[in-house]
Amino acid sequence: EDQVTQSPEALRLQEGESSSLNCSYTVSGLRGLFWYRQDPGKGPEFLFTLYSAGEEKEKERLKATLTKKESFLHITAPKPEDSATYLCAVQADRDDKIIFGKGTRLHILP
Amino acid sequence: DAEITQSPRHKITETGRQVTLACHQTWNHNNMFWYRQDLGHGLRLIHYSYGVHDTNKGEVSDGYSVSRSNTEDLPLTLESAASSQTSVYFCASSESTSSYNSPLHFGNGTRLTVT
Repeated sequence: EDQVTQSPEALRLQEGESSSLNCSYTVSGLRGLFWYRQDPGKGPEFLFTLYSAGEEKEKERLKATLTKKESFLHITAPKPEDSATYLCAVQADRDDKIIFGKGTRLHILP
Repeated sequence: DAEITQSPRHKITETGRQVTLACHQTWNHNNMFWYRQDLGHGLRLIHYSYGVHDTNKGEVSDGYSVSRSNTEDLPLTLESAASSQTSVYFCASSESTSSYNSPLHFGNGTRLTVT
């Protein structure tokens, strides 16, 4: 059964304090791994797609990396506006369904 | 700009009533999905469709139904609302399997309360 586990559940950081969020996954044939950002009262917003181990993607203060078993979302020198819930999801190569983890709630203190 | 619109944004209904949540997308995507989001469970897939007249059950489909009569719309119906169906419902769409870059595009959700 396909599964996505994210850790930690919640993370509080001071502004400028870099850290990483983890996403462990099990899937029979990975087509893609996705990272989303979700703000309160809004739908998830797409950030990155990663396709193969060793791949990295960057956007502003965020960098996503992928291994055969997990992905990391690195946040460098975060700002309060980076506060959100970050969701990881995987898509198997057998169909278009996307399975989500429970998310990490990130709070950046000014 | 293309978008997904969900309506209503908030709904309160009584146990046993039939409720329909609307989802309309202007991305011209073949794939459409309904998820529910609950504390402690994350996003769980209810139903999905890969095109007109195609519908499939997700992991939490009991008590829900969908129909796809055109590309743009995938309404979600709760046949007889139950308190366990109180949740936030998200509709999403994506390109078809011919594209490797097929992330989901989400609406802003419908918050449903069943009393």
